[in-house]
Amino acid sequence: GAVVSQHPSWVICKSGTSVKIECRSLDFQATTMFWYRQFPKQSLMLMATSNEGSKATYEQGVEKDKFLINHASLTLSTLTVTSAHPEDSSFYICSASSGRGAFFGQGTRLTVV
Amino acid sequence: AQSVTQPDIHITVSEGASLELRCNYSYGATPYLFWYVQSPGQGLQLLLKYFSGDTLVQGIKGFEAEFKRSQSSFNLRKPSVHWSDAAEYFCAVGALQAAGNKLTFGGGTRVLVKP
Repeated sequence: GAVVSQHPSWVICKSGTSVKIECRSLDFQATTMFWYRQFPKQSLMLMATSNEGSKATYEQGVEKDKFLINHASLTLSTLTVTSAHPEDSSFYICSASSGRGAFFGQGTRLTVV
Repeated sequence: AQSVTQPDIHITVSEGASLELRCNYSYGATPYLFWYVQSPGQGLQLLLKYFSGDTLVQGIKGFEAEFKRSQSSFNLRKPSVHWSDAAEYFCAVGALQAAGNKLTFGGGTRVLVKP
């Protein structure tokens, strides 16, 4: 149990386009999901907290208009990187919580060319 | 503010030898502590967690960790490593809230396993 699926696992997009990443809790409901960003050989940095049915809460320094988060149901949160630029290239990971802890998706490698 | 320090960036260990990864935390309240493992290009897998109770916690893949409040530490150990244990390990601290686990991660320790 407590499986979190993230899709796609990797994506390459052109500069200026938008990319949507999905995070699904497959066997439990998650009122809250979290989005992290990980630069190469670095730790995970929390970007935002995704709240089902309400606006996301962004960490300081994260542009909410650039990283759009939607949490339309108890099992799905999406992160849309708008007008992507090469500096947005990174590894993005979501997590969802059950009563047993926080569980992570497999991550999405975004490359903007 | 909460923080996590993993003093060792890299550790190299021989297969079959014991492994200990250090983790020190700073947290204003009772901490909830986690260890995760990440293989290259992959997400994070939960190894074990400490919420309360017995301070020696058993996890998957033969790992264990001990919570020491007096030392603000939550070190991860494995008696005998396997080549498949080569990965990046992250210690994290968080609050188990009704809204879920918001975690702060340490910088990670990369484990290399020699044959």
